[in-house]
Amino acid sequence: GDSVTQMEGPVTLSEEAFLTINCTYTATGYPSLFWYVQYPGEGLQLLLKATKADDKGSNKGFEATYRKETTSFHLEKGSVQVSDSAVYFCALNEQGAQKLVFGQGTRLTINP
Amino acid sequence: EAGVAQSPRYKIIEKRQSVAFWCNPISGHATLYWYQQILGQGPKLLIQFQNNGVVDDSQLPKDRFSAERLKGVDSTLKIQPAKLEDSAVYLCASSPQGTREAFFGQGTRLTVV
Repeated sequence: GDSVTQMEGPVTLSEEAFLTINCTYTATGYPSLFWYVQYPGEGLQLLLKATKADDKGSNKGFEATYRKETTSFHLEKGSVQVSDSAVYFCALNEQGAQKLVFGQGTRLTINP
Repeated sequence: EAGVAQSPRYKIIEKRQSVAFWCNPISGHATLYWYQQILGQGPKLLIQFQNNGVVDDSQLPKDRFSAERLKGVDSTLKIQPAKLEDSAVYLCASSPQGTREAFFGQGTRLTVV
């Protein structure tokens, strides 16, 4: 079945550092790919998405590019802030289906 | 636009008791989901409704879990009887027709003791 694998956490960085959170997926067909963020005590919020190969999703300084050849959707940000501390989930949604399949999440902590 | 509403936010029950969670999706969203998120894991789909019909309940433990979506709007998820391993956050989400992204509520944190 479809699956998503994220890099193990937790990840701790200093403010203004460069961030990469790796995500790879296994799916039949052509899934849409998503990054969701979960701040403490809150539900999941959509951060960005990409619906086809080579699409780049971006929001709030975060970016991720849909790489079909490597089945990856790595999340990047050039300069992180303390307010970016949260848990980040990579997810896919298979073509023809509407349910999301999530990775296990990566906890990110940014120190001032 | 109001988001997905869930209640209660927190619930503590003893094992073998029953519990119910309520969800009100975003107005006009045809698809409603219930996800279970165990601590340290990603959300796992329990059940998906399209309007008031079930699309996918393959991972719902039907011996103890049940869900309904009356009139294609609100939904209730019930657990009876609860087990210790049911301790988790239960997330409700909804999607508009024809899109693949889901909008999530704040969740209900269930602790079974």
